Amino acid sequence: GNSVTQMEGPVTLSEEAFLTINCTYTATGYPSLFWYVQYPGEGLQLLLKATKADDKGSNKGFEATYRKETTSFHLEKGSVQVSDSAVYFCALSDQGGANNLFFGTGTRLTVIP
Amino acid sequence: DSGVTQTPKHLITATGQRVTLRCSPRSGDLSVYWYQQSLDQGLQFLIQYYNGEERAKGNILERFSAQQFPDLHSELNLSSLELGDSALYFCASSRTPGQGDEKLFFGSGTQLSVL
Repeated sequence: GNSVTQMEGPVTLSEEAFLTINCTYTATGYPSLFWYVQYPGEGLQLLLKATKADDKGSNKGFEATYRKETTSFHLEKGSVQVSDSAVYFCALSDQGGANNLFFGTGTRLTVIP
Repeated sequence: DSGVTQTPKHLITATGQRVTLRCSPRSGDLSVYWYQQSLDQGLQFLIQYYNGEERAKGNILERFSAQQFPDLHSELNLSSLELGDSALYFCASSRTPGQGDEKLFFGSGTQLSVL
């Protein structure tokens, strides 16, 4: 079946530090991969996505590369800001559609000045 | 602002009771999805409606039901509530039935506390 495993949080970093949040997946087909972000008191928002192997999704300084050989989609940012404090969810969607969106458990990131 | 509106924001009730959560999708979106976010099980897909019809079912309990009305708003009904139903319930919407890599727009959720 399909599943997503994320590194457990919480993660606390100082401003301008490098961020990596690990995500690995299990899927029966060729899924699309996503990172969603949830800011305090808000719903999830799509941060970036990649739809096939070796694709790199990027947005707001965040990047993730779809690695089929390691079944991974790790999220990275070179220099985090206090405003990046949020919960980050890795997710996959198989070819069945968005109703087959499987989320990881989320990783809480806190950035301190 | 995602354009998806959920009411109420907070709901406190007792075991055995029944509640209704409401969701208004973004203007023009025909699909509505319901998710449950709990501390122990993370974010789980419950059910999807597209243009008034049930499209897909996930891990939704028999005590829970949903519907989508002609004006496209949706309601999630939770009955015979148990302590374990306490969670954050999200609604999301999209324009099409769900095409694989489609972007979902999430509301800010309804926090349900069952005491």
